[in-house]
Amino acid sequence: SAVISQKPSRDICQRGTSLTIQCQVDSQVTMMFWYRQQPGQSLTLIATANQGSEATYESGFVIDKFPISRPNLTFSTLTVSNMSPEDSSIYLCSVEGWGQDEQYFGPGTRLTVT
Amino acid sequence: QKEVEQNSGPLSVPEGAIASLNCTYSDRGSQSFFWYRQYSGKSPELIMFIYSNGDKEDGRFTAQLNKASQYVSLLIRDSQPSDSATYLCAVNREGGSEKLVFGKGTKLTVNP
Repeated sequence: SAVISQKPSRDICQRGTSLTIQCQVDSQVTMMFWYRQQPGQSLTLIATANQGSEATYESGFVIDKFPISRPNLTFSTLTVSNMSPEDSSIYLCSVEGWGQDEQYFGPGTRLTVT
Repeated sequence: QKEVEQNSGPLSVPEGAIASLNCTYSDRGSQSFFWYRQYSGKSPELIMFIYSNGDKEDGRFTAQLNKASQYVSLLIRDSQPSDSATYLCAVNREGGSEKLVFGKGTKLTVNP
């Protein structure tokens, strides 16, 4: 499986500010995904990021709040904009595997909004 | 709405016992099924995947799939304290989709 890194690993941010999370993979992948995992909950898909095209957002998530970039096949960023305490969560990126639909996750970014 | 249901637990088993984790899914078109292990404070780690009806064994882990009943399970034999974690069941959304739907997870505790 690929080696996936995320930056920052954690951050504490003030309400109304924005944070950009980076996801780096050590090999080229077509599909990258961004998830949110709120405390005690499972994973919720925010969007799918394909290189060379606009990200595809899931119901309940909008580009203005969670803009995503995918400049190449090894890197993506997720920005959490105009943050509120409800955005406090773990944000995870994942990449597709080389089999049938499996995904591998980065270590996550723990965000606390005060 | 596509759903994946798991017993939230906690499930507690003694060391050396078999732990049985269950999952049901709502989308009959799903073709790919995954089990992830998530230690507290860590990200999910893929431990098993299964695509065909029947059993698939990998070391102490066995995944079982019954598409007719829309049921997938994970058996952990000779459970160890290091197996204590939350186990997430994931299913691809519809036939051929790369997107996964995750259950809420079952917390497993293996007691020494």
